[in-house]
Amino acid sequence: EVQLVESGGGLVQPGRSLRLSCVGSGFRFEDYAMHWVRQAPGMGLEWVSGIDWDSGNIDYADSVKGRFTISRDNAKNSVYLEMNNLRPEDMGFYYCAKDARAFYRGSWYDNWGRGTLVTVSS
Amino acid sequence: DIQMTQFPSSLSASIGDRVTITCRASQTINSDLHWYQHKPGRAPKILIYAAVGLQSGVPSRFSGSGSATDFTLTISSLQPEDFATYFCLQGSSIPFTFGGGTKVEI
Repeated sequence: EVQLVESGGGLVQPGRSLRLSCVGSGFRFEDYAMHWVRQAPGMGLEWVSGIDWDSGNIDYADSVKGRFTISRDNAKNSVYLEMNNLRPEDMGFYYCAKDARAFYRGSWYDNWGRGTLVTVSS
Repeated sequence: DIQMTQFPSSLSASIGDRVTITCRASQTINSDLHWYQHKPGRAPKILIYAAVGLQSGVPSRFSGSGSATDFTLTISSLQPEDFATYFCLQGSSIPFTFGGGTKVEI
């Protein structure tokens, strides 16, 4: 069974940093692209970032470009999201999602985690 | 960015009803449209990929149709476990974008 478990969420002050982690199991992690998707309170889903299986392609939503960094460690079956200069509008649930393919362009997410909550407030 | 308009935003239905949810893209996305089910506190679950592909393990009462800009998710006979929020995702163009969601209630 595929499992994705996010961690690292919590309460952080505006302007500070947070690092989210997602560990995958039940599949060959190194063969698949991965994504981060978020949902602000009462809002719809927003794709944040994606990374190909070998980190060869990485993309970000404009809203986080320059502040967030996605990375992965295939040896640890993990994908990360380093979030800097956090803003109140970054608050919400952050979901890790496994792509159905090694390259995320033109693909879809076939498994998701349950999410980790990020609260940005002073 | 491609805008995904999903409707209705919510609907009330009864067990056994046929339910139809629509997503419309602001430009053609070929068949790069995917449907998910989300229940509170749980991981979203893929139902339909590439507009019409039924994900393995998903009941056959779920079906998808459409291409280019207009897509539909149909639940042929609503079951108690189907009460949830449904959303679409376009995977054609970065940034990937989601429909606003449809909450299916009793």
